[in-house]
Amino acid sequence: GQNIDQPTEMTATEGAIVQINCTYQTSGFNGLFWYQQHAGEAPTFLSYNVLDGLEEKGRFSSFLSRSKGYSYLLLKELQMKDSASYLCAVRDHQTGANNLFFGTGTRLTVIP
Amino acid sequence: DVKVTQSSRYLVKRTGEKVFLECVQDMDHENMFWYRQDPGLGLRLIYFSYDVKMKEKGDIPEGYSVSREKKERFSLILESASTNQTSMYLCASSEEVSEAFFGQGTRLTVV
Repeated sequence: GQNIDQPTEMTATEGAIVQINCTYQTSGFNGLFWYQQHAGEAPTFLSYNVLDGLEEKGRFSSFLSRSKGYSYLLLKELQMKDSASYLCAVRDHQTGANNLFFGTGTRLTVIP
Repeated sequence: DVKVTQSSRYLVKRTGEKVFLECVQDMDHENMFWYRQDPGLGLRLIYFSYDVKMKEKGDIPEGYSVSREKKERFSLILESASTNQTSMYLCASSEEVSEAFFGQGTRLTVV
């Protein structure tokens, strides 16, 4: 099965940097995704890592270490609109259809 | 833009009713998924489909069934709705290795 862990809640200050960690255990790893979800809305795709290393996309970066089963999402120059839940998801090719399994999400609150 | 459309944003149904949640995607994606999202539990996979007429159980299929008669449409069926099925239901579609695209969600309340 899949076991995906991330912190439940985090708080950070506007303009600062925050790192949201995710650890996972899966038998057929085939990529890790980060999604953003504002309250009452659908998740939207942020980033994808399948090889080790850092992927940068504007203010957001995501890192993956497959040997450690570990990823993080880095948000720089935080803005109030970044207050949302951030979902870590792992793709597992052994379960068919390359299923996407989600952690419970990290609710980030950005304060002035 | 990829579009995944769920038929209803909000639904209220009575216990014991048969409920249909419809999902349509316009990107010719092979894979389609149904999740439910509950506070503290995250997104949990109910059923998925990787081809027309193909369906596989996810982590929590009990009380649900699905139908995929056409590639673009994936329906979730609650055979006899119960109060513990009150939840946010999210449909998603993807290519084999791409990110999943989500519909806007259906908030179902069973009374």
